[in-house]
Amino acid sequence: ILNVEQSPQSLHVQEGDSTNFTCSFPSSNFYALHWYRWETAKSPEALFVMTLNGDEKKKGRISATLNTKEGYSYLYIKGSQPEDSATYLCAPLTTGGFKTIFGAGTRLFVKA
Amino acid sequence: NAGVMQNPRHLVRRRGQEARLRCSPMKGHSHVYWYRQLPEEGLKFMVYLQKENIIDESGMPKERFSAEFPKEGPSILRIQQVVRGDSAAYFCASSPPGQGGYEQYFGPGTRLTVT
Repeated sequence: ILNVEQSPQSLHVQEGDSTNFTCSFPSSNFYALHWYRWETAKSPEALFVMTLNGDEKKKGRISATLNTKEGYSYLYIKGSQPEDSATYLCAPLTTGGFKTIFGAGTRLFVKA
Repeated sequence: NAGVMQNPRHLVRRRGQEARLRCSPMKGHSHVYWYRQLPEEGLKFMVYLQKENIIDESGMPKERFSAEFPKEGPSILRIQQVVRGDSAAYFCASSPPGQGGYEQYFGPGTRLTVT
């Protein structure tokens, strides 16, 4: 069973703060890592797909890094805005498998 | 290009009835995933299908649950003889052909309530 851990479980920040959270996963048989953003009452929305060790991806104020050797990925949000409030999910995939195991997510609350 | 569509959005069933949840993937997508979100829990993988094939059903309960993705038409998740514990949000997602490397596009979900 793939054990995916995300930390912190929740995070409260002020508008304008920069923040980051972690996704940890077993490094063996790594294939790809997905990050999703999930707003309340909506469906998850893909942010990034990362495959290579050292990968860095960026979309606006959100960026992510990947370390496949030690089994972690960081998601950064620069200058948080209230509209960034959501749950951020990571999901690693292993070689030869198709099963997507989601972490429990980090719930971000940005106060105006 | 319409996104992933799921219907119904809300479904109420009495214990012992059958529930059928439908998922139409995005145009050009041939891979479908089903997930379940129980109250106060995260997304749990149930099954991964390609057209006419079940690729990985390791997340499906052994009994009462089945899924299909026929050559024509939507993917169907079928729950027979529903029980209260089946009450959850069921999401499907689709992705383009290719093994796992592509992001998944999620539908709006079907919220099943068993009374």
